[in-house]
Amino acid sequence: TAGITQAPTSQILAAGRSMTLRCTQDMRHNAMYWYRQDLGLGLRLIHYSNTAGTTGKGEVPDGYSVSRANTDDFPLTLASAVPSQTSVYFCASSHEGGSTDTQYFGPGTRLTVL
Amino acid sequence: GQNIDQPTEMTATEGAIVQINCTYQTSGFNGLFWYQQHAGEAPTFLSYNVLDGLEEKGRFSSFLSRSKGYSYLLLKELQMKDSASYLCAVTNSNYQLIWGAGTKLIIKP
Repeated sequence: TAGITQAPTSQILAAGRSMTLRCTQDMRHNAMYWYRQDLGLGLRLIHYSNTAGTTGKGEVPDGYSVSRANTDDFPLTLASAVPSQTSVYFCASSHEGGSTDTQYFGPGTRLTVL
Repeated sequence: GQNIDQPTEMTATEGAIVQINCTYQTSGFNGLFWYQQHAGEAPTFLSYNVLDGLEEKGRFSSFLSRSKGYSYLLLKELQMKDSASYLCAVTNSNYQLIWGAGTKLIIKP
């Protein structure tokens, strides 16, 4: 099985442009997450979804939006990108949200905003 | 506030043993995870501790002391492929994972 896939692998984006990072999982996990990883910092949670149709804000949600129309997909949208959003973005999923279930990560998207 | 502390970098020799420490202060505690992350790749699950004590899994062991807010990951019989970053993460009272910045482990022959 593929597990979790993310697209694109990397992207260079002009400031002010919008972009959607895609994430798809085939494990039928209820919960999905978006993190960003920056040098010298731990992974920081942007948004999460405990089940299809619901979403919640994490530690650093400003400038990002998400939707969860079905179980498999959890896209992350940057409406108007800024250079501080340059980062590596990881999507993750777990069997259940609001639990201690192990989170499994996608391969990441490296985004550069110029 | 919530804080996870780990050493930034450690160096060890192939075949040796290394201990990576993690201390934490979080709003509530529902367990501690260790993940491995090779450069340019995704984090992968190594271990989970929720009770005090040592959990052994092959060459890797993880220890937890909840009263001290302390954990360590012990890697034995080090191999070159163990060169990676090791991430400590704590599940807080809201069941959100709070992550440390990671410890980069360099293995020398």
